[in-house]
Amino acid sequence: EAQVTQNPRYLITVTGKKLTVTCSQNMNHEYMSWYRQDPGLGLRQIYYSMNVEVTDKGDVPEGYKVSRKEKRNFPLILESPSPNQTSLYFCASSLRAGYYEQYFGPGTRLTVT
Amino acid sequence: LAKTTQPISMDSYEGQEVNITCSHNNIATNDYITWYQQFPSQGPRFIIQGYKTKVTNEVASLFIPADRKSSTLSLPRVSLSDTAVYYCLVGLYYGGSQGNLIFGKGTKLSVKP
Repeated sequence: EAQVTQNPRYLITVTGKKLTVTCSQNMNHEYMSWYRQDPGLGLRQIYYSMNVEVTDKGDVPEGYKVSRKEKRNFPLILESPSPNQTSLYFCASSLRAGYYEQYFGPGTRLTVT
Repeated sequence: LAKTTQPISMDSYEGQEVNITCSHNNIATNDYITWYQQFPSQGPRFIIQGYKTKVTNEVASLFIPADRKSSTLSLPRVSLSDTAVYYCLVGLYYGGSQGNLIFGKGTKLSVKP
């Protein structure tokens, strides 16, 4: 089954404790991206990757890191999480950058205390 | 990427036709118009895309006037399960290189019995 998976689905952590949210797709997609969703603010793009080893900032990249060493994986790294990063995070992928149909993962609900 | 403007929310009743309009005054010649649907606690999913005139699929219709400065997503005979947030995006097109995507806040549609 074609899908985007994220892990963990739920995470509660404390300020400053480094964490990684994994994202994997099995569709051989070139393009992958991360979004965060907050009440009243909609869906905002954090980082995106056009292909392996090619990443770029979205609208809200501060406090996040990403890497794209393999085509299928695009982990999101929070080196020193803060409470304002409490949010619902989505990973997405598409055939290539600019392709209209993106496939989204199930989401990761992160709480930073 | 052209900025879009949508109503924050809309209410409807089961069985009615719902039309959600999106304004995109700065749409570029190569831009397509794409709509996504998001149910609570799920990632958005693609529903329809168009360039001009009218596009119809099994889920919705998309009407685009000649000047392309706006578009209308039409959902025929909505049911309770159509309660969701609907996002209008402009700029995605097949073969394009657009990396940074802007979903915005979307339109929250509430369908009542």
